[in-house]
Amino acid sequence: DIQMTQSPSSLSASVGDRVTITCRASQGIRNDLGWYQQKPGKAPKRLIYAASSLQSGVPSRFSGSGSGTEFTLTISSLQPEDFATYYCLQHNSYPPTWTFGQGTKVEIK
Amino acid sequence: EVQLVESGGGLIQPGGSLRLSCAASGFTVSSNYMSWVRQAPGKGLEWVSVIYSGGSTYYADSVKGRFTISRDNSKNTLYLQMNSLRAEDTAVYYCARGPRVSDPNWFDPWGQGTLVTVSS
Repeated sequence: DIQMTQSPSSLSASVGDRVTITCRASQGIRNDLGWYQQKPGKAPKRLIYAASSLQSGVPSRFSGSGSGTEFTLTISSLQPEDFATYYCLQHNSYPPTWTFGQGTKVEIK
Repeated sequence: EVQLVESGGGLIQPGGSLRLSCAASGFTVSSNYMSWVRQAPGKGLEWVSVIYSGGSTYYADSVKGRFTISRDNSKNTLYLQMNSLRAEDTAVYYCARGPRVSDPNWFDPWGQGTLVTVSS
């Protein structure tokens, strides 16, 4: 199975800061990666699909990049509503399984 | 409105069984891939199981042989039968529509989650 390593596990940042979160795959997964945001007590919501495509309705300050084994989620200017936990998500084709990264909690500095 | 509502969670002793339900509205469960994802208290997300529109089912290794995903087309409802429960199965269980053939990392919407606590 492909393993996903997400870093950092948490970070503290201020409103307006640029934030970068990384996910590394144990083997190449092309661009088959999504990024999800989860706020406390809520279900996750997808921000990015296919590594770099912005989900409809998601603010443009969110962006994704990468291919192969290394992927990045960037928030260009952190807003108060962005304080949440972020997860990358990858899937294996066969047998079908899905693997989330360990999560990155973005907290207020 | 497209919506999922889970039910059936609760406190259960180790070794016991529980069935979770996920009632869908605004779309047809049997025409979609449907999944269960869980989250242990204070921990990350873990994919549990998927049922394809054609009926094929797949499971995470951690639940294989103990959990069964199914659906009732007449009730437009997804189920997760959980047997031989262990303390490490304690989690909020979410049902979600998805993935899609064309978008394998798409899960939307998600239910509100139902808490399963396995403890004596």
